[in-house]
Amino acid sequence: DAEITQSPRHKITETGRQVTLACHQTWNHNNMFWYRQDLGHGLRLIHYSYGVQDTNKGEVSDGYSVSRSNTEDLPLTLESAASSQTSVYFCASSGAGWGTGELFFGEGSRLTVL
Amino acid sequence: AQSVTQLGSHVSVSEGALVLLRCNYSSSVPPYLFWYVQYPNQGLQLLLKYTSAATLVKGINGFEAEFKKSETSFHLTKPSAHMSDAAEYFCAVGKGGFGNEKLTFGTGTRLTIIP
Repeated sequence: DAEITQSPRHKITETGRQVTLACHQTWNHNNMFWYRQDLGHGLRLIHYSYGVQDTNKGEVSDGYSVSRSNTEDLPLTLESAASSQTSVYFCASSGAGWGTGELFFGEGSRLTVL
Repeated sequence: AQSVTQLGSHVSVSEGALVLLRCNYSSSVPPYLFWYVQYPNQGLQLLLKYTSAATLVKGINGFEAEFKKSETSFHLTKPSAHMSDAAEYFCAVGKGGFGNEKLTFGTGTRLTIIP
């Protein structure tokens, strides 16, 4: 079955370190998204991509970057981790173009920055 | 800009009772509206969606929602709560058409079922 997987599921790091969260989907979806989930804020969009070599900033993109070199993967990089980036991160994907709005989510990556 | 407001961060209902989770939206264009559910330690999954067709939308697990333009609401209901409904529920809005998947989510409502 097609799926979307995130790794690592849990990570503890120190302030100032670079961290990369992986997201891999086998749906062959063009669209991929990264959200962060925080209590009281729900899910907020970090970055998104509508295809290979396409990346776009979401509402909370500062301190994060993504790259899209193939259809399957959209890694999220924190260049210099900060305590404010402690959160649960979700990757999601969806089919192309005029969409139904249905996102398929991974199980999340819990990041703690000490 | 689009936004959704979920009234009540926590809702508790008895097993067998009516479930009502409230969502109001703001949108400058005809909205596409969604409810997603998140079970513990899992990602979100689509419960139901409104895409400008029928105003009463039926979803999975016996849930339904009604789009009311005059009230800018899209409340989620289920006639009889089951223990397995305990989860967090998110309302979301999209703008339709290309890029519809770039959703804006509400802050979520945690539903607790009392035995």
